[in-house]
Amino acid sequence: DSGVTQTPKHLITATGQRVTLRCSPRSGDLSVYWYQQSLDQGLQFLIQYYNGEERAKGNILERFSAQQFPDLHSELNLSSLELGDSALYFCASSPKTGLGTEAFFGQGTRLTVV
Amino acid sequence: DAKTTQPNSMESNEEEPVHLPCNHSTISGTDYIHWYRQLPSQGPEYVIHGLTSNVNNRMASLAIAEDRKSSTLILHRATLRDAAVYYCILGEWANTGNQFYFGTGTSLTVIP
Repeated sequence: DSGVTQTPKHLITATGQRVTLRCSPRSGDLSVYWYQQSLDQGLQFLIQYYNGEERAKGNILERFSAQQFPDLHSELNLSSLELGDSALYFCASSPKTGLGTEAFFGQGTRLTVV
Repeated sequence: DAKTTQPNSMESNEEEPVHLPCNHSTISGTDYIHWYRQLPSQGPEYVIHGLTSNVNNRMASLAIAEDRKSSTLILHRATLRDAAVYYCILGEWANTGNQFYFGTGTSLTVIP
């Protein structure tokens, strides 16, 4: 158990809908990262927050947004969903930011868009 | 083009050492090399990371080439629990913040 909690574990929704994925980082970790894992694109970094502020942006679509709250949990919002958004979404956390930082991953949320 | 390239799959006998290679020819001076592994139906798990020098921890060793264009993850004695997909990741700075580029991964099979 990495100590990172993601909810829900599974989500099935229809095209055009909006969903929110939630992540609770390890106790004391200030950084939260979001990743997408799909069969065709592999694991892709989406976005990072550090202590409530956006710190880095990767391959995140404009239809997607994220935020980190004062209690350090984070939410990833996916809107106008398309079939191609079906994927595993992982959250990871680390105590600090920086390129040489070990991150701890949650078990992921499997999103299926039908 | 991918930032890191890895073989799709490798096999090892149990209790033998395993050397998992990774090429990252576009690496720059401040980029970090990370390795994570992923078991089926689980999130990636940190293995090791380094910048320039070779690194050792309780799980593995990381050997980084002198020109830093390649690296090798070394599992000293493979066990059945080491069967997983191993990802080589380049951590680099960009004007949009620190970026982490995952390779396509090497699926390691450990033969009893």
